[in-house]
Amino acid sequence: AQSVTQLDSHVSVSEGTPVLLRCNYSSSYSPSLFWYVQHPNKGLQLLLKYTSAATLVKGINGFEAEFKKSETSFHLTKPSAHMSDAAEYFCVVSDTWSGNTPLVFGKGTRLSVIA
Amino acid sequence: GAGVSQSPRYKVAKRGQDVALRCDPISGHVSLFWYQQALGQGPEFLTYFQNEAQLDKSGLPSDRFFAERPEGSVSTLKIQRTQQEDSAVYLCASRSTGAGELFFGEGSRLTVL
Repeated sequence: AQSVTQLDSHVSVSEGTPVLLRCNYSSSYSPSLFWYVQHPNKGLQLLLKYTSAATLVKGINGFEAEFKKSETSFHLTKPSAHMSDAAEYFCVVSDTWSGNTPLVFGKGTRLSVIA
Repeated sequence: GAGVSQSPRYKVAKRGQDVALRCDPISGHVSLFWYQQALGQGPEFLTYFQNEAQLDKSGLPSDRFFAERPEGSVSTLKIQRTQQEDSAVYLCASRSTGAGELFFGEGSRLTVL
């Protein structure tokens, strides 16, 4: 069975400094991995996805993540934080990109951005 | 529609009442998922439909939870005899085929008093 562990429940950064949100996964197969963002009272939005193509994945709003199979990690980064990045971020794993395999979510990391 | 629409956005129920939560997926989307998100937690899978067929209901926490999608479009999640532990945000998501991005609605927040 697949699972994800988000290593930090809360991360606080200053505006303009780098962001690092950490995620480790466990999967029996070659996984598909995702990062979703959730702003208060808003729906979940897909930031980026890894589906066995390039290991460095670029997403929206300047975010990117690197799939490292040897470390079973899929950390999310951004070079320079913006106030609008403050939100809840979820690392997500699925055994396949298609079909009815449900997405398995981590518990989330709350990102605070300080002016 | 332009996105996944859920109603009501907020529902307060007294313990023991029945509730029904509605999901309008993006038009033409074949796959529909329901998730439950408790406060401070990540979403957890409840059930999955492909068209009108409910292919997986392994995540439904008890037989008080029931979901349907009779015409392969709108779906309803029904919770009978609500309990306080049912308080959560219920998220609906859809996608066009067996593959591709899941699009989430804004959720229905259920509070059971």
